[in-house]
Amino acid sequence: QKEVEQDPGPLSVPEGAIVSLNCTYSNSAFQYFMWYRQYSRKGPELLMYTYSSGNKEDGRFTAQVDKSSKYISLFIRDSQPSDSATYLCAMSAGNTGNQFYFGTGTSLTVIP
Amino acid sequence: GAGVSQSPSNKVTEKGKDVELRCDPISGHTALYWYRQSLGQGLEFLIYFQGNSAPDKSGLPSDRFSAERTGGSVSTLTIQRTQQEDSAVYLCASSLAGTGINQPQHFGDGTRLSIL
Repeated sequence: QKEVEQDPGPLSVPEGAIVSLNCTYSNSAFQYFMWYRQYSRKGPELLMYTYSSGNKEDGRFTAQVDKSSKYISLFIRDSQPSDSATYLCAMSAGNTGNQFYFGTGTSLTVIP
Repeated sequence: GAGVSQSPSNKVTEKGKDVELRCDPISGHTALYWYRQSLGQGLEFLIYFQGNSAPDKSGLPSDRFSAERTGGSVSTLTIQRTQQEDSAVYLCASSLAGTGINQPQHFGDGTRLSIL
């Protein structure tokens, strides 16, 4: 079983839709959770960074962490064509080793 | 401010040649990571530096791969006797943290390596 599972999509939505992206994980020690956005031929760009459970909102983006279910989500409200990209989740335990575990990414297309 | 800089952005070379990839992290970032990203695959961890030392080399796929970091700043990833399966995007990331508290990583745009 992989440490982090993420549906690769592709996901296609109309402009203005609410997008839900999700990852599940198996390691209960994970406590730092990140979402990255990666445009074609670019490096991943940090979108959201959360610690432990709960919600965090930044503009049109909301990150949710449910540690009891080992499930994290990224919601994008009022999606725009510029949101079309691959979204990667990442997480770590925050102890020795500093290893980060990444999902394989979900490809999102927002259609004008 | 300046982000993580990687060079070259693209590299095409013949099988069997050696290649050297460079990463210039964000100023002041003590942690530096190398990853490999293949089409349709997730990020594959290669090596982690804290300062100039590499406490975690567990992801290096073979002894053809090596990396060093000097002056706590620039890092180079060297692949010797390249093989076609080495073709991928090599990404570098840096962060503020040492052990204990994980600060998020900031990535460069990668080096696209193609082995003919």
